Amino acid sequence: DTGVSQDPRHKITKRGQNVTFRCDPISEHNRLYWYRQTLGQGPEFLTYFQNEAQLEKSRLLSDRFSAERPKGSFSTLEIQRTEQGDSAMYLCASSPPSRGDTGELFFGEGSRLTVL
Amino acid sequence: AQSVTQLGSHVSVSEGALVLLRCNYSSSVPPYLFWYVQYPNQGLQLLLKYTSAATLVKGINGFEAEFKKSETSFHLTKPSAHMSDAAEYFCAILYSGAGSYQLTFGKGTKLSVIP
Repeated sequence: DTGVSQDPRHKITKRGQNVTFRCDPISEHNRLYWYRQTLGQGPEFLTYFQNEAQLEKSRLLSDRFSAERPKGSFSTLEIQRTEQGDSAMYLCASSPPSRGDTGELFFGEGSRLTVL
Repeated sequence: AQSVTQLGSHVSVSEGALVLLRCNYSSSVPPYLFWYVQYPNQGLQLLLKYTSAATLVKGINGFEAEFKKSETSFHLTKPSAHMSDAAEYFCAILYSGAGSYQLTFGKGTKLSVIP
């Protein structure tokens, strides 16, 4: 059973650079979520896809952030003009519809971003 | 708005002792509540959930939680701690409305188990 896969696991970048994270959900999970976790905090919701449609975006997702899921399978999260405040763990999760409705998400191990 | 508050960012217990991790919730509607666990260098995984059926919910690895409406609490317990329980535990509440399904997490409680 292949779980949720995220790449890269670690990214160090300089302020002002663009970064992109990729998430491969569990096969046949049509829902995909992005969360962000900073030190000492719980995960915070960023955005959610059902198939290829982005159905919800948090106000945490500024215009420097963009997420896509072009074919309803893998997803990318791009951060443009990174700032030090973007340093965080970016978590991807997926679920089949019946379980997503009841909060049962399957998380990846996360992509840690450090902005210098 | 729905939210959860976890009391205590760090809890230490001796191996074999009772584990009690506290979570209080705020919700204007009957809540769906969850405990997720994050072991070192692993992704979050669901430990147990409450979805308005039985108030005492049993999860994996011997953990359970009791929903108490009168106290707005959903504390996580385990009778006897094991070294392998050392992890960070997150309480979460599901916001569902107008087609939205968001989990709102607490800040987490890091559990240390002392041999």
